[in-house]
Amino acid sequence: EDQVTQSPEALRLQEGESSSLNCSYTVSGLRGLFWYRQDPGKGPEFLFTLYSAGEEKEKERLKATLTKKESFLHITAPKPEDSATYLCAVNYGGSQGNLIFGKGTKLSVKP
Amino acid sequence: DVKVTQSSRYLVKRTGEKVFLECVQDMDHENMFWYRQDPGLGLRLIYFSYDVKMKEKGDIPEGYSVSREKKERFSLILESASTNQTSMYLCATSRGAGANVLTFGAGSRLTVL
Repeated sequence: EDQVTQSPEALRLQEGESSSLNCSYTVSGLRGLFWYRQDPGKGPEFLFTLYSAGEEKEKERLKATLTKKESFLHITAPKPEDSATYLCAVNYGGSQGNLIFGKGTKLSVKP
Repeated sequence: DVKVTQSSRYLVKRTGEKVFLECVQDMDHENMFWYRQDPGLGLRLIYFSYDVKMKEKGDIPEGYSVSREKKERFSLILESASTNQTSMYLCATSRGAGANVLTFGAGSRLTVL
């Protein structure tokens, strides 16, 4: 069964304490892995797309990486405004309907 | 920027009522989606549409229907609302074919009493 698993479910960091979020997947025929950020009461907002193992993308304090089995979202020196739920989604068939979302990691960054 | 507007942010309905959730986008995207988001279950696809008057079932279509009469508008219909349909409903759009980025609306939180 195709699955996307995110860990940890929740992560509490002190401001400036770097860490990583994990997204592991068991789909065949990966067509793209997406990271989204979701603030409370809002819809998810796109961060990155990764298509092949070894690929990396960066934006400010965030860096996403991809292997054949998992993706990491590295957060360097986080700030309180980075607090949000981070969602991973995997497209496995190319069709718009072939998208599986993980359940998310809720990140809290304390000043 | 693409804007995806969901007309109702909060709704409270009674069991058995018919509920319409509307979504409008302003950037000419071909694809539109309805998801529901529940704690511990994540986002689940209800229906999607890749063209006017076209619709495809997602993972959890039971109890829902959709309508897409115009390219910019995608409606989700609950024919007879039930308490287990209490949820956050998210509309999303994307461009073209293939695995593309979704742009989400702000969501509609539906409570069915």
